[in-house]
Amino acid sequence: DAGVTQSPTHLIKTRGQQVTLRCSPKSGHDTVSWYQQALGQGPQFIFQYYEEEERQRGNFPDRFSGHQYPNYSSELNVNALLLGDSALYLCASSPRGTGAYGYTFGSGTRLTVV
Amino acid sequence: GNSVTQMEGPVTLSEEAFLTINCTYTATGYPSLFWYVQYPGEGLQLLLKATKADDKGSNKGFEATYRKETTSFHLEKGSVQVSDSAVYFCALKRGQTSGSRLTFGEGTQLTVNP
Repeated sequence: DAGVTQSPTHLIKTRGQQVTLRCSPKSGHDTVSWYQQALGQGPQFIFQYYEEEERQRGNFPDRFSGHQYPNYSSELNVNALLLGDSALYLCASSPRGTGAYGYTFGSGTRLTVV
Repeated sequence: GNSVTQMEGPVTLSEEAFLTINCTYTATGYPSLFWYVQYPGEGLQLLLKATKADDKGSNKGFEATYRKETTSFHLEKGSVQVSDSAVYFCALKRGQTSGSRLTFGEGTQLTVNP
């Protein structure tokens, strides 16, 4: 049973560019959350998608946006990249209503902005 | 707001030593508490959890007790192994559904030497 799949695993972008990160949730999961983990820090909640809508959002600017498709997969888009956006981006999926111990995390996408 | 504070790291131990990683939290109400582990190049894995005061979570020899009076959830293991080398994150969640976000501490790097 495949877990959470994220792509790409690594990415290098230039300041001002735009980037799209992708996440396929674990089979049976319909809720997707995104977290940003800066080097040496704990993950910070970006937003969560359920039924193709953004349900919750953390303290991130509008440059961060997302999408969820009918098959529950999700994308994270970041516009006008800044050096400070360099981080590991983690996707976590869960079946609705099970609580955080139902979360399964992917291995992440390492984004480097130069 | 909610916050989690972990002991400053990194922590270096010899194999079979006793491990304690301190975690304290600030939250209103009665959050659920978690320890996650992150091995190099991987995502987060749930290690153990506790959902109410005085609960003890345990897994793979690790234990942590939910202490509401001291707002703490310290992680302990009686005899660490080299394979326990990883980054450990304490986290909290308010609410009982998967819609509730996780708030993480900054992480503690553990290195166990043979």
